[in-house]
Amino acid sequence: QKEVEQDPGPLSVPEGAIVSLNCTYSNSAFQYFMWYRQYSRKGPELLMYTYSSGNKEDGRFTAQVDKSSKYISLFIRDSQPSDSATYLCAMTIYNFNKFYFGSGTKLNVKP
Amino acid sequence: DTAVSQTPKYLVTQMGNDKSIKCEQNLGHDTMYWYKQDSKKFLKIMFSYNNKELIINETVPNRFSPKSPDKAHLNLHINSLELGDSAVYFCASSHTQMTGPDSPLHFGNGTRLTVT
Repeated sequence: QKEVEQDPGPLSVPEGAIVSLNCTYSNSAFQYFMWYRQYSRKGPELLMYTYSSGNKEDGRFTAQVDKSSKYISLFIRDSQPSDSATYLCAMTIYNFNKFYFGSGTKLNVKP
Repeated sequence: DTAVSQTPKYLVTQMGNDKSIKCEQNLGHDTMYWYKQDSKKFLKIMFSYNNKELIINETVPNRFSPKSPDKAHLNLHINSLELGDSAVYFCASSHTQMTGPDSPLHFGNGTRLTVT
């Protein structure tokens, strides 16, 4: 079993839709959760991070962590065609030296 | 200015050849990494260096040899290339080797290696 599981999609939605992207994990020691966005032919770039259970909001993006269920989510409100990318979740133990990635969900937002 | 830059962007070569990929970061970070991304987009760490010292060496064939001449540079040399080495190789850096919100990963744009 992989440490982090993520539905690969692809997920296709119309512009303006609310998008929900999810990851599950098996290691209850994970404390620090990140979402990276990767455009085609580019490297992943950090979108958001959270360091506890609960929600964190940044503009149209909300990251949610449910440690009891070992489940994290990224919500995108009012999705735009420019949001079309692969979204990778990543997590780690604070002050460890390794990140664990999900395999990414490909999102396509249609105009 | 590109923060993490790697060259070449594309590499097409035949089985059995030896090739190198170079990476440089201008962020002043202490730690650099090589990740391999397969066709299913799964990112797997290969190596990590902190201030030129190897700190992570995942179960990677010894045909892969990283070298860090200084903390701003991390190169990857691959001997006797095999078909299964075809992937996108990403260089990344972080402020320190200790993971946390003040030390996220910064990735280059990848080197797409195709072995024929």
